[in-house]
Amino acid sequence: DVKVTQSSRYLVKRTGEKVFLECVQDMDHENMFWYRQDPGLGLRLIYFSYDVKMKEKGDIPEGYSVSREKKERFSLILESASTNQTSMYLCASKTGGGYTFGSGTRLTVV
Amino acid sequence: QKEVEQDPGPLSVPEGAIVSLNCTYSNSAFQYFMWYRQYSRKGPELLMYTYSSGNKEDGRFTAQVDKSSKYISLFIRDSQPSDSATYLCAMSAYNYGQNFVFGPGTRLSVLP
Repeated sequence: DVKVTQSSRYLVKRTGEKVFLECVQDMDHENMFWYRQDPGLGLRLIYFSYDVKMKEKGDIPEGYSVSREKKERFSLILESASTNQTSMYLCASKTGGGYTFGSGTRLTVV
Repeated sequence: QKEVEQDPGPLSVPEGAIVSLNCTYSNSAFQYFMWYRQYSRKGPELLMYTYSSGNKEDGRFTAQVDKSSKYISLFIRDSQPSDSATYLCAMSAYNYGQNFVFGPGTRLSVLP
C-alpha cells in the first residue's frame, strides 16, 4: 500500500513565522498535492506537482509556496503565517486511481 | 450554488441500519466519482472509485451514480459503530488529480 507520511500531526506557530510542512510518499508517484480542510468548506487545493521541480497553483495558493526537490518529498511553505491559515493540512499522492492521503497536520497560528 | 453539495449531518443511525449518504453536483461534465471515509484526526481514505453511471459494490458498501439527476449515493449495509466517521465525496470530469472537487462531508454516527 502507498504510504503518505506528514512529518507533524500538530503544530502551533506565531503570526509572521515561516512554516514548513513536510510530506513523503513511498510509491514513486509522480503526482502530489497539498490541500487544506476547513469545516463546511471541504478540501481545497493549494498546490500540486506532477514531477520533480514542477509545481502548479491550485485554487487557493495565496500565502503559500511549495518545493519538490525529490520525487518522494513535497513541502508546503507558509511564507509568513497568519491566523487565517489555521487549518488542517493534508498531503496526498495519486496515480491512476484515487488519492492516498497522509494523516494531516493540524496547524494553529496564534 | 456550490459545485458539489453534501448534507453535513450529523446523521445518527442505530447499528445494523442501512445508511444512505448523498452528494449533488452541478457540473454535467463530471464522470469520475470517489467516496472517502475520514475518521476523526485522520486523513481521508478511499472507499470507492467509480466512472460514469451505474452501481459498484464492495462488501457492505455500494456506490451509485445517476448522471441524469447529477446525484451520487453511498449505501452502507449492516452499519457498524466502526463506520462512524465523516464521508466525503469527490468528483471530476477528468482523471487528473487537480481537477477533483470535494464535498464538505457528512458526519455519520452509528450507535450501538
